[in-house]
Amino acid sequence: DQQVKQNSPSLSVQEGRISILNCDYTNSMFDYFLWYKKYPAEGPTFLISISSIKDKNEDGRFTVFLNKSAKHLSLHIVPSQPGDSAVYFCAAKQSYGQNFVFGPGTRLSVLP
Amino acid sequence: KAGVTQTPRYLIKTRGQQVTLSCSPISGHRSVSWYQQTPGQGLQFLFEYFSETQRNKGNFPGRFSGRQFSNSRSEMNVSTLELGDSALYLCASGPSDQFSTEAFFGQGTRLTVV
Repeated sequence: DQQVKQNSPSLSVQEGRISILNCDYTNSMFDYFLWYKKYPAEGPTFLISISSIKDKNEDGRFTVFLNKSAKHLSLHIVPSQPGDSAVYFCAAKQSYGQNFVFGPGTRLSVLP
Repeated sequence: KAGVTQTPRYLIKTRGQQVTLSCSPISGHRSVSWYQQTPGQGLQFLFEYFSETQRNKGNFPGRFSGRQFSNSRSEMNVSTLELGDSALYLCASGPSDQFSTEAFFGQGTRLTVV
């Protein structure tokens, strides 16, 4: 039973345009959500997070939106750059502990 | 500030053997968690240690075990290795607060079981 889903295995975007990565979750007990970026042969790198008490969080080119009623979150990258090409993981957790549940990832390709 | 350090980076073991992986967290972090990444199952949570105590555990068999030392360094052990244990094993550390947010990952140990 996949509690965190990323239904798009891959996404291609032109440099300078917006990249939108989506994530859905089923466990209503999750109250903290994060996005990680991962390059091959490296560990995931933390990008941005959002608590369930908020519906938006921004950090530079990255914005995460949370729709609790729909159990949906999205990551917007504006403008997209070739260096953003990587696999993006959505992760969720309950407030206690560091046991994150990860989605399967979306491979983003930003084309020059 | 040094990041999360995992050793070794690569390891080849034979079926039936056991293996120990090591993780040194970011200085000051007391939470260490372990994840397994495989192409088929993605990133899956193994267990988390906080102040030398296991406080969360994922759905892995008892062959997977871990421990944390007083300096917050952690080790993960897999006994009686199976071919399916071939994976990238990632360690992550987090700040002291039990409700802390993001976890910071090391580069991982690539285990190959032959």
